[in-house]
Amino acid sequence: SAVISQKPSRDICQRGTSLTIQCQVDSQVTMMFWYRQQPGQSLTLIATANQGSEATYESGFVIDKFPISRPNLTFSTLTVSNMSPEDSSIYLCSVEDQTLTEGYTFGSGTRLTVV
Amino acid sequence: ILNVEQSPQSLHVQEGDSTNFTCSFPSSNFYALHWYRWETAKSPEALFVMTLNGDEKKKGRISATLNTKEGYSYLYIKGSQPEDSATYLCAFFNDYKLSFGAGTTVTVRA
Repeated sequence: SAVISQKPSRDICQRGTSLTIQCQVDSQVTMMFWYRQQPGQSLTLIATANQGSEATYESGFVIDKFPISRPNLTFSTLTVSNMSPEDSSIYLCSVEDQTLTEGYTFGSGTRLTVV
Repeated sequence: ILNVEQSPQSLHVQEGDSTNFTCSFPSSNFYALHWYRWETAKSPEALFVMTLNGDEKKKGRISATLNTKEGYSYLYIKGSQPEDSATYLCAFFNDYKLSFGAGTTVTVRA
C-alpha cells in the first residue's frame, strides 16, 4: 500500500490567516481525499482531488474556504483560508485503495489550533 | 450524508478481557464496510474491508462480522492488551467515498 508524508504535523495559527497542508505520496494515485475531524466529531470528507481537474467538494465545504491543488499524481495541498477558531481540527489526507480490498491509506494528520 | 453510528463512544477494558462494539450503517446501496484503528499521533490504519453479508474477518486477536441486511457490524477484541488502546472507526464505502462513524475509543487498563 502507499505511504503518505503529510506536513505540518501541527500548527497554531492566528485567526484570519491561512495554512497550507501538504501530502506527498510515494506512488501515483488517481484520487486523493481530504478529511477533517473537529473535536468530538467523526472524520468528515471535505473534498476529492483528482489530478488535472477541479476538486469535488462535499456539501458544506467550498473552494474559497478550502482551496485544493493537485498538480500531479503524487502530491496535493489543502489550504484552510481566513481561519477562525471553528477551523481547529485534525486534517487528514487519504488515497484510494486501488484493490478495493485493503482499505484506504491515510497521512499522519495535521492538528490545527486557531487562536 | 450517510448515517453511520458507533456504540459505545468509549469503553474501558481490563487487560486480558475481551470486548466488542458495534457499527450501524444504511442497509441499502451497500458496497463495503471498512474498519480502521487510529492511535494517538498516528495515521488511521486499515483493519478490515468487508463486503459480503455474513463475512467474518480476523487479524490476530481482532475480528469483525458483517450483517448487510440489517446494517450492522461488530468488532471484537479478544484478550485485550494495552497496545489495543485506540479509537476504532468504521466507515461505509460507496462511490469511492468513506462515510465514517464517530468511533469507539478503547482504553485497556494494565
